[in-house]
Amino acid sequence: DIVMTQSPDSLAVSLGERATINCKSNQSIFYSSNNKNFLTWYQQKPGQPPKLLIYWASTRESGVPDRFSGSGSGTDFTLTISSLQAEDVAVYYCQQYYTTPRTFGQGTKVEIK
Amino acid sequence: QVQLVESGGGVVQPGRSLRLSCAASGFSFSIYGMHWVRQAPGKGLEWVAVIWYDGSNKYYADSVKGRFTISRDNSKNTLYLQMNSLRDEDTAVYYCAREELRGAFDLWGQGTKVTVSS
Repeated sequence: DIVMTQSPDSLAVSLGERATINCKSNQSIFYSSNNKNFLTWYQQKPGQPPKLLIYWASTRESGVPDRFSGSGSGTDFTLTISSLQAEDVAVYYCQQYYTTPRTFGQGTKVEIK
Repeated sequence: QVQLVESGGGVVQPGRSLRLSCAASGFSFSIYGMHWVRQAPGKGLEWVAVIWYDGSNKYYADSVKGRFTISRDNSKNTLYLQMNSLRDEDTAVYYCAREELRGAFDLWGQGTKVTVSS
C-alpha cells in the first residue's frame, strides 16, 4: 500500500497570511503515460463531508478560490493557501489515486492564530 | 439536484450485521465508479471499498476484507455496503463518494453514522 504522510499535523496562521501543508508518498504517484501526478487535496469542515479542492496535484476544482494552489511531483506535494481567510479553517487531506487502496494522509488541521 | 444520500446507519452490537445504502440522484449513476470512505470519531478519513461503474470489479481495504461487501443496483441508482461481523473499530461515519473520470472523489454524501457497541 502507498503510505501518505502529511506535515504538520496542525498549524495556526494569521488571517491574510500563507498556509503551507506538505504531503509525502512512500512511492512515486507520477504516471508517465499521461504525465500526471495522481494526487488530490480535500477540505473538510466540522460536521461536513470532504470537499474536493485540487486534482492532478495542481488543478483546482471548479469554484475553488484561486488562493488555493497545489504543487509538487513524484513523491512530494504541497497545498498552499496564499492568504488565509476565516472560512478556510478546516482539516485538509491529501489522497493518492495511483493505486488501490486509495490511501489518505492523516490530515492537517488549519486554525487562525 | 446532484446528490448522494446515505442511510442505514445505527447502533449495532459487535458481531452483528448492518447494510448501508447510498441513493444517487441528478446524474448518470451507472457510468461512475463509487466508493465508501469512513471516518472514526475524531479521526481521519479511511478508504473502505470501491466498485466499478458496472459492478465488474470490487476492491476492499484490508481492515474490512472478508467482512464487508460493496454492491450496486444501477436500475435503482443505489450503492450498498453490507457489513458483517462488525467490530468496535468499525464505529465511524460512513460516506459514499463518486469517482469522476479524472479519478478524484468529486461528490460526497453527508454520511451515515454506525456505532458498534454492546
